[in-house]
Amino acid sequence: QSVLTQPPSASGTPGQRVTISCSGSSSNIGSNTVNWYQQLPGTAPKLLIYSNNQRPSGVPDRISGSKSGTSASLAISGLQSEDEADYYCAVWDDSLNGMVFGGGTKLTVL
Amino acid sequence: QVQLQESGPGLVKPSETLSLTCTVSGASISSYYWSWIRQPPGKGLEWIGCLYYSGSTNCNPSLKSRVTISVDTSKNQFSLKLSSVTAADTAVYYCARGLRLGELSFSAVPEYWGQGTLVTVSS
Repeated sequence: QSVLTQPPSASGTPGQRVTISCSGSSSNIGSNTVNWYQQLPGTAPKLLIYSNNQRPSGVPDRISGSKSGTSASLAISGLQSEDEADYYCAVWDDSLNGMVFGGGTKLTVL
Repeated sequence: QVQLQESGPGLVKPSETLSLTCTVSGASISSYYWSWIRQPPGKGLEWIGCLYYSGSTNCNPSLKSRVTISVDTSKNQFSLKLSSVTAADTAVYYCARGLRLGELSFSAVPEYWGQGTLVTVSS
């Protein structure tokens, strides 16, 4: 059981906007910045968002992140078939003095 | 182009020590945070621990008693040792480099990842 809670699945049709939530506590999301990863089947995770809402070079601006209190969200607009993947949130936890990952959300493009 | 490559045995016997090495190219290991993350088959990601180039480390409390992470700056490599392994330690093991947020500001958040290596614990 992860300390960060994500819905196990999400779905949308091409062109739609989908959001994936990540719920934590005061010792992680409440006091540190949130990061998001995309993992395509059989590949290593790719950093999509860091510091709540910053995109690394090469990540399209249709992908965005936000944080409020002890929760965070990843939004993908203009959904494409290539977005079908697993998505993970990750945050430093001050109580554990280590990084924690959410359980992951499998995004299906219908 | 930063590249990381994990290497080590793909099969380890129960109760023995798992040893992996991550070879870094395109970046000096004498900066940044360097991490190990694992993913059991069909499951989510688990952070194992990280090392700052100076040698200081942080490890997952649930694994801390069994984990050693070290760096060899002369070879631009860092390593993971996980002792007393069981079947529950079977996973794809990734090494990763942390983010650079500014001139002298580094984060443990993994940015660049290796391709991963599957380690199976079985007799």
